[in-house]
Amino acid sequence: EADIYQTPRYLVIGTGKKITLECSQTMGHDKMYWYQQDPGMELHLIHYSYGVNSTEKGDLSSESTVSRIRTEHFPLTLESARPSHTSQYLCASSDPGPNEKLFFGSGTQLSVL
Amino acid sequence: KNQVEQSPQSLIILEGKNCTLQCNYTVSPFSNLRWYKQDTGRGPVSLTIMTFSENTKSNGRYTATLDADTKQSSLHITASQLSDSASYICVVSDRGSTLGRLYFGRGTQLTVWP
Repeated sequence: EADIYQTPRYLVIGTGKKITLECSQTMGHDKMYWYQQDPGMELHLIHYSYGVNSTEKGDLSSESTVSRIRTEHFPLTLESARPSHTSQYLCASSDPGPNEKLFFGSGTQLSVL
Repeated sequence: KNQVEQSPQSLIILEGKNCTLQCNYTVSPFSNLRWYKQDTGRGPVSLTIMTFSENTKSNGRYTATLDADTKQSSLHITASQLSDSASYICVVSDRGSTLGRLYFGRGTQLTVWP
């Protein structure tokens, strides 16, 4: 069982609101990731971090930002949410072993009205 | 263009039956291929990871095969259970020992009926 946690599980907010999606892992992994997934579609990488104070944008352009001040914590922030941001957001971390197995959180389902 | 294609898109089987899911990829250079199980509303959970030199790997009732020459993989589920109902995602990595670029398929939605 993966020790990676996301909150909230579900979030419904109005347009223009600022939100932060939380992600924490207790496995001591240096590498962490944020993916976006729409129903029936593949996961798209939007942000990743290889350690504290390291953050990079992923393949899919996103208006969100991330920070990595502590190893265990990798929050994602949307300054002004829009309906186009409605999606499932999945946080993951990878272990340092061969093939770097990915561990996913349960996700946050975001709905922007 | 690096791609991962999965078939079928959806599948319905009766409890106790076997099934096989397919994954074709064009990712190059190839590093490893992963199968994940994603329950509705949850994050994916790893089932198997196979490198270039491995052509089969099992995890309980799940058996994955890999043909790196034809760039095809399959996931065979034996004696299906209701809890097997989920989306099964094929993921291919294009780099060596570090976590390179991951290419995700759209998944096969499996429904197991009693």
